[in-house]
This record gives sequence, C-alpha cells and structure tokens, in this order.
Amino acid sequence: DQQVKQNSPSLSVQEGRISILNCDYTNSMFDYFLWYKKYPAEGPTFLISISSIKDKNEDGRFTVFLNKSAKHLSLHIVPSQPGDSAVYFCAASVDLMGANNLFFGTGTRLTVIP
Amino acid sequence: DSGVTQTPKHLITATGQRVTLRCSPRSGDLSVYWYQQSLDQGLQFLIHYYNGEERAKGNILERFSAQQFPDLHSELNLSSLELGDSALYFCASSARGLVNEQFFGPGTRLTVL
Repeated sequence: DQQVKQNSPSLSVQEGRISILNCDYTNSMFDYFLWYKKYPAEGPTFLISISSIKDKNEDGRFTVFLNKSAKHLSLHIVPSQPGDSAVYFCAASVDLMGANNLFFGTGTRLTVIP
Repeated sequence: DSGVTQTPKHLITATGQRVTLRCSPRSGDLSVYWYQQSLDQGLQFLIHYYNGEERAKGNILERFSAQQFPDLHSELNLSSLELGDSALYFCASSARGLVNEQFFGPGTRLTVL
C-alpha cells in the first residue's frame, strides 16, 4: 500500500528551464512533507520541507507547493542546473505517537540537459 | 558526507543465510532509523530506535531484527535470507527524532543469490 506516490519515474529538462516534480499522497493524516535528493552511491539528502499548515515554502531555487484538498505536492526548481540531475524522493510524515516516521515515494529521476 | 556511516558497503550472500548490517549515527544523534529500498521501490521504513529503545516499527519482517547499543550504533540483522531481500538498506540518524532532521548514510547493498 503505497501512501506516497510519484507517478513520473523520470523527467528531462533543459538547463535554465523550470523542473516540476509531482507527488500525491493518500493519507490525510500526513502533516509534514519533505523532498530528498539522491545521487548515485549516496544516501538521500534533505532538500526542502513544508508543514501542512502552509501551502508554499521557498528556499533559493527550490519551492515546494502543497495542495491539501488535492493531496498533492510539487517541487519546482528554477532555473534548473546540470548539478540538479539526481533522483528526487517525496516523503511524508504522520506523528505516530511521536515517532515521526517517513513514508517515501518511489522517486523521480531528473536529468537536466546542458 | 552526512556523518552517518554504514558497513559493509556491499554484501553478497546466499539464500538461507544470516547477515548483520551496521550503522554508526552522527555524533550525538540519539535516533537511528532503518529503511529498505528494493528495485523500483521507494524507501520503506523498517524500524526506529531512540537512545537504545525501540520507538516504532514499520514494514519489518519477523526474520529481521535490530538493536541499538549503548554507544548508539545500531545493527540490523537479517536471517533466513530470500532472493527478495536483495535491496539497498539505509540507516538514518537524527538528534531528537524529528523527521526533518534525518541524515542518511550511504547505504549497504545486499545481494542474495
């Protein structure tokens, strides 16, 4: 039962353009959402997050949008750079008795073409 | 470098065997999480320890077990291995058990033949 879904396994974007990565979730109890970036042979690294009380969070070139009614979030990267090429994982959290465990999507491989 | 170390990096073993994966959290971090990433799957949460105590269990099989030692390093034990256990196993640590502060290790790739 995949509670967090990333339906696009891959995305290719030209350098300088906007990259939009999408994520859907099914559990309305999720109250915190995160994006992780993963390079080959490395573990995921935290990129940006958003609380369910907000609908937008921005950090430099990265912006995350949350649409609670649609149970959808997206990550915008603008402008995209070749170094952004990686696998991006969406993750969500629900406070299970304070444990705050993460539920991950299957990832989207972003390729930024120079 | 996240500060989280995992050993070994690669492990190849046969069905029916038992292996132990080791994780050393970042200095001072009390929480350790284990995740499994199978082919074409997202990371699946297995188990969470906080300061030596089990805090939460996810989709962890009964053949798998974990523990966190007094020095805060953690081990994930996988027994009666099956082909389907082949995966990347990640460990993450955080200071206070907060999801937005999890730092991941590089992972251990387990191949069961």
